[in-house]
Amino acid sequence: SAVISQKPSRDICQRGTSLTIQCQVDSQVTMMFWYRQQPGQSLTLIATANQGSEATYESGFVIDKFPISRPNLTFSTLTVSNMSPEDSSIYLCSVDSGGGSGNTIYFGEGSWLTVV
Amino acid sequence: RKEVEQDPGPFNVPEGATVAFNCTYSNSASQSFFWYRQDCRKEPKLLMSVYSSGNEDGRFTAQLNRASQYISLLIRDSKLSDSATYLCVVHNDYKLSFGAGTTVTVRA
Repeated sequence: SAVISQKPSRDICQRGTSLTIQCQVDSQVTMMFWYRQQPGQSLTLIATANQGSEATYESGFVIDKFPISRPNLTFSTLTVSNMSPEDSSIYLCSVDSGGGSGNTIYFGEGSWLTVV
Repeated sequence: RKEVEQDPGPFNVPEGATVAFNCTYSNSASQSFFWYRQDCRKEPKLLMSVYSSGNEDGRFTAQLNRASQYISLLIRDSKLSDSATYLCVVHNDYKLSFGAGTTVTVRA
């Protein structure tokens, strides 16, 4: 298993500002992911955080809005840039601590962002 | 069409009842399937994997029908603690696709 710590756990942000969310894992993992869960919705994959290279973004998400860093195998950050109320959401860090078969995926506790 | 679709419920059942619900997926090449549980204001946690032969984990039974591209979850003898949102999840190419969730409320 993997233990994932996310910071901040929640924040209230002003429109137009940016916030960086940190994700720390207690072991080295190959695959790290960032998800968004908007109110009443399911999880949507934002991007795969790649160690030492640019993140791989899903359709509808761009680097300028959601820059991601992955400096090593245990840490990643997601920045939500130029926030608007539509960005109010839970942002979840996820890791695959196994061989990529899907049954070794764990989530952080999430960062609850409210944009006012 | 969404990649994973679920009946959102809510299913409101008394303790001890059996509740079952399905989800459908659109990608016939999907590789692995799971049910996750998400409690209110918490992160999702893996409940169980779903195998073609069907599998049980205590009071929970999961089934996969590849021909019809649907997955089911059945909860027997439901407990108050089973109240949660159950997420149907499909795994492809190292990525998870989530359904919107089925909400189950078990009442005393």
